Amino acid sequence: DVKVTQSSRYLVKRTGEKVFLECVQDMDHENMFWYRQDPGLGLRLIYFSYDVKMKEKGDIPEGYSVSREKKERFSLILESASTNQTSMYLCASSTPPRDGEQYFGPGTRLTVT
Amino acid sequence: GNSVTQMEGPVTLSEEAFLTINCTYTATGYPSLFWYVQYPGEGLQLLLKATKADDKGSNKGFEATYRKETTSFHLEKGSVQVSDSAVYFCASDTGRRALTFGSGTRLQVQP
Repeated sequence: DVKVTQSSRYLVKRTGEKVFLECVQDMDHENMFWYRQDPGLGLRLIYFSYDVKMKEKGDIPEGYSVSREKKERFSLILESASTNQTSMYLCASSTPPRDGEQYFGPGTRLTVT
Repeated sequence: GNSVTQMEGPVTLSEEAFLTINCTYTATGYPSLFWYVQYPGEGLQLLLKATKADDKGSNKGFEATYRKETTSFHLEKGSVQVSDSAVYFCASDTGRRALTFGSGTRLQVQP
């Protein structure tokens, strides 16, 4: 079974802190994604990556950056956390040609105070 | 760009009732369409998919048919169970490996 793991289930950070969210997949998938999930808004794509060191902006990249130094790992970075970044963050992976068949991690609930 | 619209929830049904969750999409071309399910405390799981017009995706008693003429992909199940209580997301591929998701519909099934 494909497994996508995220470094934390719950995280509490202060405004202005630098925050790292880590995601690891174990199925050699080429694509990795970061979404945020907010009530009434569904999932919104922040960034995705289709290869090591490659990244593309999603719909809401402002305030975030990403890093993919190894194929299995995709990190989401909040350079200076703000309260409006309090949310559930979901990581996913997939591989061509079944790009839309995404496997999700359990999510990290981030609270910025 | 693509967009997906789902009916708002929550949808509350009794066990063995018939379920429909509406989903419509806007897109250029004919995207692949998906339904994902999120059980409490978990990430999303792929429930079913359809890749072209008139395709029917099915899994675990759930079905959805890709209707090009109405740009719809409604999710149906003939007889829901308490264990089907979850949030259901409709999604469309964007043509650049990512998906566009609807806002999600919470289903609550009562015994």
